[in-house]
Amino acid sequence: SQKIEQNSEALNIQEGKTATLTCNYTNYSPAYLQWYRQDPGRGPVFLLLIRENEKEKRKERLKVTFDTTLKQSLFHITASQPADSATYLCALMNSGYSTLTFGKGTMLLVSP
Amino acid sequence: GAVVSQHPSRVICKSGTSVKIECRSLDFQATTMFWYRQFPKQSLMLMATSNEGSKATYEQGVEKDKFLINHASLTLSTLTVTSAHPEDSSFYICSARPQVRDQPQHFGDGTRLSIL
Repeated sequence: SQKIEQNSEALNIQEGKTATLTCNYTNYSPAYLQWYRQDPGRGPVFLLLIRENEKEKRKERLKVTFDTTLKQSLFHITASQPADSATYLCALMNSGYSTLTFGKGTMLLVSP
Repeated sequence: GAVVSQHPSRVICKSGTSVKIECRSLDFQATTMFWYRQFPKQSLMLMATSNEGSKATYEQGVEKDKFLINHASLTLSTLTVTSAHPEDSSFYICSARPQVRDQPQHFGDGTRLSIL
Protein backbone atom coordinates (compact mmCIF):
# COMPACT_ATOMS: atom_id res chain seq x y z
CA SER A 1 0.00 0.00 0.00
CA GLN A 2 1.03 3.61 -0.49
CA LYS A 3 2.84 5.17 2.44
CA ILE A 4 4.27 8.57 3.25
CA GLU A 5 6.58 8.64 6.25
CA GLN A 6 7.85 11.60 8.18
CA ASN A 7 9.78 11.53 11.45
CA SER A 8 7.15 11.25 14.14
CA GLU A 9 9.43 12.56 16.86
CA ALA A 10 9.82 16.28 17.27
CA LEU A 11 13.03 17.82 16.00
CA ASN A 12 14.66 20.15 18.52
CA ILE A 13 17.37 22.49 17.30
CA GLN A 14 19.05 25.67 18.37
CA GLU A 15 18.41 29.02 16.75
CA GLY A 16 20.77 29.67 13.85
CA LYS A 17 21.28 26.02 12.96
CA THR A 18 19.93 24.29 9.86
CA ALA A 19 16.88 22.09 10.34
CA THR A 20 16.51 19.10 8.05
CA LEU A 21 13.24 17.21 7.81
CA THR A 22 12.74 13.97 5.90
CA CYS A 23 9.85 12.63 3.85
CA ASN A 24 10.01 9.07 2.51
CA TYR A 25 7.38 7.40 0.39
CA THR A 26 6.69 3.92 -0.94
CA ASN A 27 4.50 2.49 -3.70
CA TYR A 28 3.99 5.92 -5.19
CA SER A 29 4.83 7.69 -8.42
CA PRO A 30 4.12 11.32 -7.58
CA ALA A 31 3.68 14.06 -10.14
CA TYR A 32 4.98 16.48 -7.55
CA LEU A 33 5.66 16.89 -3.86
CA GLN A 34 4.76 19.80 -1.64
CA TRP A 35 5.78 21.00 1.79
CA TYR A 36 3.39 22.82 4.07
CA ARG A 37 3.71 24.46 7.46
CA GLN A 38 0.92 24.01 10.00
CA ASP A 39 0.60 25.90 13.27
CA PRO A 40 -1.66 24.58 16.08
CA GLY A 41 -5.33 25.14 15.32
CA ARG A 42 -4.62 26.54 11.86
CA GLY A 43 -4.80 25.25 8.31
CA PRO A 44 -1.64 24.26 6.41
CA VAL A 45 0.26 27.03 4.65
CA PHE A 46 1.93 26.20 1.34
CA LEU A 47 5.72 26.57 1.28
CA LEU A 48 7.27 24.86 -1.72
CA LEU A 49 6.33 22.57 -4.63
CA ILE A 50 8.88 20.42 -6.43
CA ARG A 51 8.06 18.43 -9.56
CA GLU A 52 9.18 14.86 -10.22
CA ASN A 53 11.70 16.01 -12.82
CA GLU A 54 13.28 18.59 -10.49
CA LYS A 55 16.10 17.86 -8.05
CA GLU A 56 16.12 20.96 -5.88
CA LYS A 57 14.07 24.09 -5.17
CA ARG A 58 14.91 27.09 -3.04
CA LYS A 59 12.93 29.93 -1.56
CA GLU A 60 14.65 32.34 0.79
CA ARG A 61 15.87 30.23 3.76
CA LEU A 62 14.07 27.11 2.54
CA LYS A 63 15.45 24.37 0.34
CA VAL A 64 13.77 21.18 -0.85
CA THR A 65 15.39 18.24 -2.58
CA PHE A 66 13.58 15.44 -4.36
CA ASP A 67 15.19 12.07 -5.13
CA THR A 68 12.74 9.85 -7.02
CA THR A 69 15.23 6.96 -6.97
CA LEU A 70 15.49 6.99 -3.19
CA LYS A 71 11.82 8.03 -2.97
CA GLN A 72 12.76 10.76 -0.57
CA SER A 73 12.48 14.50 -0.11
CA LEU A 74 14.53 16.57 2.30
CA PHE A 75 13.34 19.93 3.58
CA HIS A 76 15.94 22.34 4.95
CA ILE A 77 15.51 25.56 6.88
CA THR A 78 18.78 27.46 7.19
CA ALA A 79 19.52 30.01 9.94
CA SER A 80 16.48 28.73 11.82
CA GLN A 81 14.53 31.03 14.12
CA PRO A 82 12.10 30.35 16.99
CA ALA A 83 9.33 31.61 14.66
CA ASP A 84 10.04 28.59 12.44
CA SER A 85 8.68 26.31 15.17
CA ALA A 86 5.67 24.50 13.70
CA THR A 87 4.65 21.17 12.22
CA TYR A 88 5.85 20.61 8.67
CA LEU A 89 3.80 18.41 6.37
CA CYS A 90 4.94 16.60 3.27
CA ALA A 91 2.28 15.94 0.63
CA LEU A 92 2.37 14.02 -2.63
CA MET A 93 0.21 14.57 -5.69
CA ASN A 94 -0.45 11.39 -7.65
CA SER A 95 0.41 11.13 -11.31
CA GLY A 96 -3.26 11.51 -12.24
CA TYR A 97 -3.35 14.91 -10.51
CA SER A 98 -6.42 13.89 -8.57
CA THR A 99 -5.36 13.33 -4.99
CA LEU A 100 -2.96 15.06 -2.61
CA THR A 101 -1.92 12.72 0.20
CA PHE A 102 -0.30 13.96 3.38
CA GLY A 103 2.25 12.57 5.78
CA LYS A 104 1.62 12.95 9.50
CA GLY A 105 4.06 15.81 9.78
CA THR A 106 7.13 16.51 11.86
CA MET A 107 7.10 19.06 14.64
CA LEU A 108 10.08 21.41 14.63
CA LEU A 109 11.05 23.26 17.80
CA VAL A 110 13.69 25.99 17.51
CA SER A 111 15.03 27.23 20.82
CA PRO A 112 16.54 30.68 21.28
CA GLY B 1 -0.54 34.78 -2.65
CA ALA B 2 -3.65 32.68 -3.03
CA VAL B 3 -6.14 33.01 -0.21
CA VAL B 4 -8.80 30.57 0.89
CA SER B 5 -11.32 31.75 3.46
CA GLN B 6 -13.12 29.26 5.68
CA HIS B 7 -15.98 30.17 7.97
CA PRO B 8 -16.81 29.74 10.80
CA SER B 9 -13.53 29.08 12.59
CA ARG B 10 -15.19 27.49 15.57
CA VAL B 11 -18.60 25.95 16.25
CA ILE B 12 -19.95 24.54 19.48
CA CYS B 13 -23.44 23.08 19.29
CA LYS B 14 -25.77 20.46 20.66
CA SER B 15 -26.07 16.93 19.36
CA GLY B 16 -28.56 16.67 16.50
CA THR B 17 -27.80 20.08 15.07
CA SER B 18 -26.75 20.51 11.45
CA VAL B 19 -23.71 22.68 10.85
CA LYS B 20 -22.70 24.38 7.61
CA ILE B 21 -19.08 25.32 6.87
CA GLU B 22 -18.19 27.62 3.97
CA CYS B 23 -15.02 27.63 1.93
CA ARG B 24 -14.23 30.45 -0.49
CA SER B 25 -11.30 31.03 -2.81
CA LEU B 26 -10.82 34.79 -2.68
CA ASP B 27 -8.46 35.58 -5.53
CA PHE B 28 -8.62 32.62 -7.89
CA GLN B 29 -11.16 30.31 -9.42
CA ALA B 30 -11.19 26.75 -8.15
CA THR B 31 -12.82 24.08 -10.26
CA THR B 32 -11.96 21.62 -7.52
CA MET B 33 -12.14 22.02 -3.77
CA PHE B 34 -11.31 19.46 -1.13
CA TRP B 35 -12.57 18.75 2.37
CA TYR B 36 -10.30 17.22 4.99
CA ARG B 37 -10.69 16.11 8.56
CA GLN B 38 -7.84 16.15 11.06
CA PHE B 39 -7.65 14.52 14.46
CA PRO B 40 -5.05 15.66 17.04
CA LYS B 41 -1.49 14.76 16.06
CA GLN B 42 -2.78 13.01 12.94
CA SER B 43 -2.47 13.63 9.25
CA LEU B 44 -5.08 15.39 7.16
CA MET B 45 -7.56 12.79 5.92
CA LEU B 46 -9.33 13.56 2.67
CA MET B 47 -13.08 13.26 3.05
CA ALA B 48 -14.32 14.34 -0.36
CA THR B 49 -13.46 16.12 -3.56
CA SER B 50 -15.89 18.79 -4.64
CA ASN B 51 -16.21 19.69 -8.32
CA GLU B 52 -18.02 22.81 -9.43
CA GLY B 53 -21.39 22.00 -10.90
CA SER B 54 -21.29 18.28 -10.22
CA LYS B 55 -21.62 15.81 -7.38
CA ALA B 56 -18.84 15.44 -4.88
CA THR B 57 -16.65 12.35 -4.82
CA TYR B 58 -16.43 10.85 -1.35
CA GLU B 59 -13.57 8.79 0.05
CA GLN B 60 -14.24 5.29 1.28
CA GLY B 61 -15.88 5.26 4.68
CA VAL B 62 -17.24 8.81 4.48
CA GLU B 63 -21.03 8.95 4.65
CA LYS B 64 -22.35 11.18 1.87
CA ASP B 65 -25.68 11.64 3.64
CA LYS B 66 -23.92 12.79 6.79
CA PHE B 67 -21.49 15.17 5.08
CA LEU B 68 -23.33 17.09 2.36
CA ILE B 69 -21.14 19.00 -0.05
CA ASN B 70 -22.26 21.68 -2.46
CA HIS B 71 -19.95 23.43 -4.92
CA ALA B 72 -22.26 26.00 -6.46
CA SER B 73 -19.66 28.30 -8.01
CA LEU B 74 -15.98 28.44 -8.91
CA THR B 75 -15.23 30.21 -5.64
CA LEU B 76 -17.52 28.59 -3.07
CA SER B 77 -17.96 25.12 -1.62
CA THR B 78 -19.95 24.25 1.48
CA LEU B 79 -19.85 21.25 3.80
CA THR B 80 -22.91 20.54 5.92
CA VAL B 81 -22.56 18.10 8.80
CA THR B 82 -26.11 16.86 9.23
CA SER B 83 -27.52 15.81 12.59
CA ALA B 84 -24.08 16.08 14.15
CA HIS B 85 -23.10 13.84 17.05
CA PRO B 86 -20.13 14.01 19.46
CA GLU B 87 -18.12 11.62 17.29
CA ASP B 88 -18.28 14.20 14.49
CA SER B 89 -16.27 16.62 16.63
CA SER B 90 -13.06 17.33 14.78
CA PHE B 91 -11.04 19.91 12.88
CA TYR B 92 -12.38 20.32 9.33
CA ILE B 93 -10.22 21.99 6.72
CA CYS B 94 -11.02 22.91 3.14
CA SER B 95 -8.64 23.56 0.31
CA ALA B 96 -8.90 24.86 -3.22
CA ARG B 97 -6.76 24.19 -6.25
CA PRO B 98 -6.36 26.68 -9.09
CA GLN B 99 -7.51 25.59 -12.51
CA VAL B 100 -3.93 24.99 -13.67
CA ARG B 101 -3.38 21.46 -12.46
CA ASP B 102 0.23 21.58 -11.29
CA GLN B 103 -0.29 24.54 -9.03
CA PRO B 104 -0.44 23.93 -5.28
CA GLN B 105 -3.56 23.60 -3.22
CA HIS B 106 -4.21 26.37 -0.74
CA PHE B 107 -5.95 25.77 2.53
CA GLY B 108 -8.46 27.54 4.68
CA ASP B 109 -7.75 28.06 8.35
CA GLY B 110 -9.98 25.22 9.45
CA THR B 111 -13.16 24.89 11.50
CA ARG B 112 -13.05 23.42 14.97
CA LEU B 113 -16.37 21.61 15.43
CA SER B 114 -17.37 20.57 18.95
CA ILE B 115 -20.63 18.68 19.43
CA LEU B 116 -21.88 18.46 23.00
